[in-house]
Amino acid sequence: GENVEQHPSTLSVQEGDSAVIKCTYSDSASNYFPWYKQELGKGPQLIIDIRSNVGEKKDQRIAVTLNKTAKHFSLHITETQPEDSAVYFCAAPQMNTGFQKLVFGTGTRLLVSP
Amino acid sequence: ETGVTQTPRHLVMGMTNKKSLKCEQHLGHNAMYWYKQSAKKPLELMFVYNFKEQTENNSVPSRFSPECPNSSHLFLHLHTLQPEDSALYLCASSRGATNEKLFFGSGTQLSVL
Repeated sequence: GENVEQHPSTLSVQEGDSAVIKCTYSDSASNYFPWYKQELGKGPQLIIDIRSNVGEKKDQRIAVTLNKTAKHFSLHITETQPEDSAVYFCAAPQMNTGFQKLVFGTGTRLLVSP
Repeated sequence: ETGVTQTPRHLVMGMTNKKSLKCEQHLGHNAMYWYKQSAKKPLELMFVYNFKEQTENNSVPSRFSPECPNSSHLFLHLHTLQPEDSALYLCASSRGATNEKLFFGSGTQLSVL
């Protein structure tokens, strides 16, 4: 089955700096890679996702890159702001299950200091 | 308002109690999920329902009993839980069981004493 590893577990940056969170996956057949943001007291919310037929996707200050050969994908946040402080989760699908079964990483706690 | 509403937000129960968690989605989705979130562990999928039919039971102990009366409502009935069951229980929905975009509720923080 799919195995997802996420690093780092915590990340502290100054406001305005960039932040990068990396994930690796094990199943080369995986074709969809979402990133979720979980703020305190809330459930995870999808912020960006990428499919295996593209290498990069951007949405304003956030971007995701995918390296299928190396089986890793990364979340990039530029010009960080205090409201970016949250826990971020990557995920990859467990294939051949016939239904949606995402395998999540263990999460990265991002702290953006003013 | 995320479109997925969970009640209660917090629940404290003894090991001999019976309680239920409720989830309602207002997004017109057909698939609903229960996840368990424990500290320093990945999100764990517990159950999947697609068009009210259970399609996945991820080796969950029988003290957790799901119920899906329709595509908009999902319950998790709890009985004789253990302290290690204390966690945040998250409900999610998606358009279909093969649609990847999950929409999560805010969860129920459960403490078992």
